[in-house]
Amino acid sequence: AQSVTQLGSHVSVSEGALVLLRCNYSSSVPPYLFWYVQYPNQGLQLLLKYTSAATLVKGINGFEAEFKKSETSFHLTKPSAHMSDAAEYFCAVRNTGNQFYFGTGTSLTVIP
Amino acid sequence: EAGVAQSPRYKIIEKRQSVAFWCNPISGHATLYWYQQILGQGPKLLIQFQNNGVVDDSQLPKDRFSAERLKGVDSTLKIQPAKLEDSAVYLCASSDDSYGVDTQYFGPGTRLTVL
Repeated sequence: AQSVTQLGSHVSVSEGALVLLRCNYSSSVPPYLFWYVQYPNQGLQLLLKYTSAATLVKGINGFEAEFKKSETSFHLTKPSAHMSDAAEYFCAVRNTGNQFYFGTGTSLTVIP
Repeated sequence: EAGVAQSPRYKIIEKRQSVAFWCNPISGHATLYWYQQILGQGPKLLIQFQNNGVVDDSQLPKDRFSAERLKGVDSTLKIQPAKLEDSAVYLCASSDDSYGVDTQYFGPGTRLTVL
């Protein structure tokens, strides 16, 4: 079965520092992978998605993620954190049967 | 373009009562999803529709949960009777997969509290 694992339920970074949120997936075939952000009391918003094109995917708000098949990873990064990046981030996988599975989420805190 | 609409935004009920949630997807989106998000967890897919047909309902507790999507547009999710553990945010999402893998667009959710 498909699944995603997000390492670290809480991550804190200083404003201006690198953001790294980890996601590993389990799949026998390369899946479609997504990162979503959820601000308090709001629905999920897509940051970026990997659909078997370029392995380095650029998303909104300066975020990007790299698909590494050998490591079964799809980590999310941003070179310089901003206060407005504080939110909950979810990694998700979609299999060939069009079923979505979400990770448990990582709460990002940005320290001024 | 209007987003995914959900109502109500908040609902408080007592256990054993019934409750219904409504979702109106983005116009033209054939696929509609209902998720349950318990506090501190990621969304869990309850049911997925393709037009008005069910694609996946393997994680829907069918003894108490039901969902329908009449005419392939808006959808309702019902819980009858509710249990304490049903307290969660219920998210609706839609996507247009006409040209391959498309993005899911999420509504704001309905926060259910069961007392």
